[in-house]
Amino acid sequence: DAGITQSPRHKVTETGTPVTLRCHQTENHRYMYWYRQDPGHGLRLIHYSYGVKDTDKGEVSDGYSVSRSKTEDFLLTLESATSSQTSVYFCAISEALSRDSSTDTQYFGPGTRLTVL
Amino acid sequence: KNQVEQSPQSLIILEGKNCTLQCNYTVSPFSNLRWYKQDTGRGPVSLTIMTFSENTKSNGRYTATLDADTKQSSLHITASQLSDSASYICVVSAHGNNRLAFGKGNQVVVIP
Repeated sequence: DAGITQSPRHKVTETGTPVTLRCHQTENHRYMYWYRQDPGHGLRLIHYSYGVKDTDKGEVSDGYSVSRSKTEDFLLTLESATSSQTSVYFCAISEALSRDSSTDTQYFGPGTRLTVL
Repeated sequence: KNQVEQSPQSLIILEGKNCTLQCNYTVSPFSNLRWYKQDTGRGPVSLTIMTFSENTKSNGRYTATLDADTKQSSLHITASQLSDSASYICVVSAHGNNRLAFGKGNQVVVIP
């Protein structure tokens, strides 16, 4: 999994509780991403980071916040979890090899399965 | 509307047989198209990447084709193995944008 770890790998929580998922990389890649994967949908971008303390929203960012205080760590926080946030969450990284970052390959972590009851 | 459509949604094939998966996209301006393989319980792994000027790319028994004029791609699996059982995801990038457009995947099950 390209030097990417996610923790926890599985979590069950209750509605209204805060949850933080961690993504850690050992590749020193500049870009990091958080996606969610749900049945009937393709992977959807939640937030991404293009450097330490530099983040931007994706297409499904409502209810999520992120932080990146170090190159290697990217945290995803659900301030108050809801059942609609039950999903599998994937972290991805990419190295900014070209001016047009669209050609950079994204490498995915193993995923975190989150269940909100 | 999803910018990347894949078909068939799922298929079952006998070990040793070939199969072809289809991807149609509307992403513009087109930069490149990737096929990813996702095993159950794992993250997606890149198989191939093709830019506008490339119309075929191979990775072992996997061969991807691209027709940028009709905005179609296919992934051909030759002599399937049980380990080919997975979801195959078509992913398209637009120029000047690091965001990806994902298809919903083709679920392939190879049976002995």
